[in-house]
Amino acid sequence: DQQVKQNSPSLSVQEGRISILNCDYTNSMFDYFLWYKKYPAEGPTFLISISSIKDKNEDGRFTVFLNKSAKHLSLHIVPSQPGDSAVYFCAASEIEKLTFGTGTRLTIIP
Amino acid sequence: GAGVSQTPSNKVTEKGKYVELRCDPISGHTALYWYRQSLGQGPEFLIYFQGTGAADDSGLPNDRFFAVRPEGSVSTLKIQRTERGDSAVYLCASSFTLGETQYFGPGTRLLVL
Repeated sequence: DQQVKQNSPSLSVQEGRISILNCDYTNSMFDYFLWYKKYPAEGPTFLISISSIKDKNEDGRFTVFLNKSAKHLSLHIVPSQPGDSAVYFCAASEIEKLTFGTGTRLTIIP
Repeated sequence: GAGVSQTPSNKVTEKGKYVELRCDPISGHTALYWYRQSLGQGPEFLIYFQGTGAADDSGLPNDRFFAVRPEGSVSTLKIQRTERGDSAVYLCASSFTLGETQYFGPGTRLLVL
């Protein structure tokens, strides 16, 4: 029973365009959401987070949107750059532990 | 500053053997977490510590798995009688305190033959 789902295993985007990564969750007790980026042979790197009391958080090229009624969040990257090519994990927090999705592999095409 | 470090980076062992995986958290971080990532999956929670005590070990798959953090800093994940299904990347993360952002180490890749 997956509580956090990333339904797109992969996504390819032209350099300079917007990348949109999606995540759905089922547990309404989740109160904090995060996006991590992962390169091969490295641990996940924290990107951006959002509290359940907000619907948007922005940090430079990265914006996370949260729609609580739909139990959906998305990560927007604009403009996309070649260095953004990586696997992106959505994670949700209930109390302290994180529940992760299965990841989306983003490839930026030069 | 130094991030979370994990040793060894890779470990190959035989079925039935005992292994220990070590995690050095970011200096000053009081909370420490262990996760396990299998191929094609996201990391799955195993256990977390606040200080020296295991605050939640509900993710440990069975009693072959045990973790300690005796002085509230370095932690060791111990796996007894390893099985092939234990093969995975074991990730450690730390945060300044509970509820703060978790920062991950590079992981230990465990292969049980």
